[in-house]
Amino acid sequence: DAGVIQSPRHEVTEMGQEVTLRCKPISGHNSLFWYRQTMMRGLELLIYFNNNVPIDDSGMPEDRFSAKMPNASFSTLKIQPSEPRDSAVYFCASSFAGSQPTQYFGPGTRLLVL
Amino acid sequence: QKEVEQNSGPLSVPEGAIASLNCTYSDRGSQSFFWYRQYSGKSPELIMFIYSNGDKEDGRFTAQLNKASQYVSLLIRDSQPSDSATYLCAVNLFYGQNFVFGPGTRLSVLP
Repeated sequence: DAGVIQSPRHEVTEMGQEVTLRCKPISGHNSLFWYRQTMMRGLELLIYFNNNVPIDDSGMPEDRFSAKMPNASFSTLKIQPSEPRDSAVYFCASSFAGSQPTQYFGPGTRLLVL
Repeated sequence: QKEVEQNSGPLSVPEGAIASLNCTYSDRGSQSFFWYRQYSGKSPELIMFIYSNGDKEDGRFTAQLNKASQYVSLLIRDSQPSDSATYLCAVNLFYGQNFVFGPGTRLSVLP
């Protein structure tokens, strides 16, 4: 079975540009999570969805960040406008909400904002 | 107080020794506990999870949970250089599906 798929794997952009990260969760999973990882702050939860509905977006740093999940097999995380401090690795993870909510991570998108 | 705490390391052990990784958490409502391994430049991968007090063994790995002390640990027996990675402790709270991750402990197994 395919795991969590993320694209692009690497993104280099200039400050002020819009960045869109994409995620396809594991088929059958109904929870999806967006994380950001930096050396300084570790792995931070940005937002998570359950059955395509945003449940907790308290980790979204500011209005420049937005996330959508239009259907069960696709989600986007958008940063507009991007800033150098947004440089990080962004992970998407999915799980099946049940008695064993194990999260499975995608390969991540390494974002560099110049 | 941070919700999930781990020693950042690095923890260095010789090959063949037992590596002991520790994690404490603050919310007594925490229900399940996960250990992830993350190699440099890679994504976290699940090693094992534990829900009940006591020990859970899987191959060379043993997870130990003590809810009264709010403490979970991971023991790696017969450590190998390939075990060198950062180990992340994650805690799942009662009321949601989201995890709270600790900062991770960097383990170095010396040949």
